[in-house]
Amino acid sequence: AQSVTQPDIHITVSEGASLELRCNYSYGATPYLFWYVQSPGQGLQLLLKYFSGDTLVQGIKGFEAEFKRSQSSFNLRKPSVHWSDAAEYFCAVRMDSNYQLIWGAGTKLIIKP
Amino acid sequence: EADIYQTPRYLVIGTGKKITLECSQTMGHDKMYWYQQDPGMELHLIHYSYGVNSTEKGDLSSESTVSRIRTEHFPLTLESARPSHTSQYLCASSRRYNEQFFGPGTRLTVL
Repeated sequence: AQSVTQPDIHITVSEGASLELRCNYSYGATPYLFWYVQSPGQGLQLLLKYFSGDTLVQGIKGFEAEFKRSQSSFNLRKPSVHWSDAAEYFCAVRMDSNYQLIWGAGTKLIIKP
Repeated sequence: EADIYQTPRYLVIGTGKKITLECSQTMGHDKMYWYQQDPGMELHLIHYSYGVNSTEKGDLSSESTVSRIRTEHFPLTLESARPSHTSQYLCASSRRYNEQFFGPGTRLTVL
């Protein structure tokens, strides 16, 4: 079955340190890939997306993600986190032609001062 | 910035009441979605629509119903609210490539 895995439920990072959030998917072909961020009590905001082309994509708020076909991964990175980055991060994948997304369980990012 | 609106933002209501959660978008998107999300948990698709007069149930079974009479409007209705319906409800829309834009959500509490 098609699935999306975010193996880390929580990640704690010091302010100013680098960040990598993991996302793996199971699917035979190249899917459409997304990262969203959700602040407490809010809806989701799109950080970045990958459809084709350059496997390193840049997003908003200084985030980037790299698609690695061999590892079926689409990890999110940021070189230096800010306290305002504390939020829940969701990876999502569109695999089929029915326009629906398959969602990971989310990773909660905690920033240490 | 995406223009998708949800009202009310917060709702506390007693068991047995009928409620309608409103969702509207001004982007002309043909596809719209309703998700249910418990605090700190993943999103579960409960309803979706690919256009006017088109509605389908999602992966998560829900006692709610939806309608799509106008492109911009996708309300969700619970005929008889129960405490098990307590959750956050997120509305989203998309046009192509399934890049979904989300509203701010409605946090529902049923007493």
